[in-house]
Amino acid sequence: EPEVTQTPSHQVTQMGQEVILRCVPISNHLYFYWYRQILGQKVEFLVSFYNNEISEKSEIFDDQFSVERPDGSNFTLKIRSTKLEDSAMYFCASSEGGVGYNEQFFGPGTRLTVL
Amino acid sequence: AQTVTQSQPEMSVQEAETVTLSCTYDTSESDYYLFWYKQPPSRQMILVIRQEAYKQQNATENRFSVNFQKAAKSFSLKISDSQLGDAAMYFCAYRNDYKLSFGAGTTVTVRA
Repeated sequence: EPEVTQTPSHQVTQMGQEVILRCVPISNHLYFYWYRQILGQKVEFLVSFYNNEISEKSEIFDDQFSVERPDGSNFTLKIRSTKLEDSAMYFCASSEGGVGYNEQFFGPGTRLTVL
Repeated sequence: AQTVTQSQPEMSVQEAETVTLSCTYDTSESDYYLFWYKQPPSRQMILVIRQEAYKQQNATENRFSVNFQKAAKSFSLKISDSQLGDAAMYFCAYRNDYKLSFGAGTTVTVRA
């Protein structure tokens, strides 16, 4: 069964460094998402991406964040200059369709630790 | 902004028994979608069941069913004949555009 995959599973970085989190969505999906979950808090939406454009983003997704689909398979989240408060689990998701009833399929997550 | 509230941080159920997880949400929209996701330990979230707000009939998927009360903005999940494999964190989620808005989650433990 097709799955969303994410690499690495755990990333440790120093404050101020750039990190890139990678995701491989399910191959026939057209919509891609990033969510994050700070320890002990709710899963929060960051951004959705379709047709090489951001379709929606939250207030969390500021200029420090960017997303890209550099080739036909990968979908990346870049944090330009990490802060301590960026430490969280980051989940990638993908779906065939956009709004409404379409199921979003989630990856296993990348745990980001900023020291 | 939509908020989703799960008031039960933890629930415990005996194997083969039934457990109900509560979820309430706040929205001014009339057309939206509701989901329950399951996250087993160290595994990814998977969809358990979903409901369209304009459908009055409650969704059912095998041992999982929902009680959708639109006027009360309530969307509870019932797990019947609980199995050890049902042990997980369960998230209620709301959607009316691209994003999912999640509740805080309920941890379900199943006693053998």
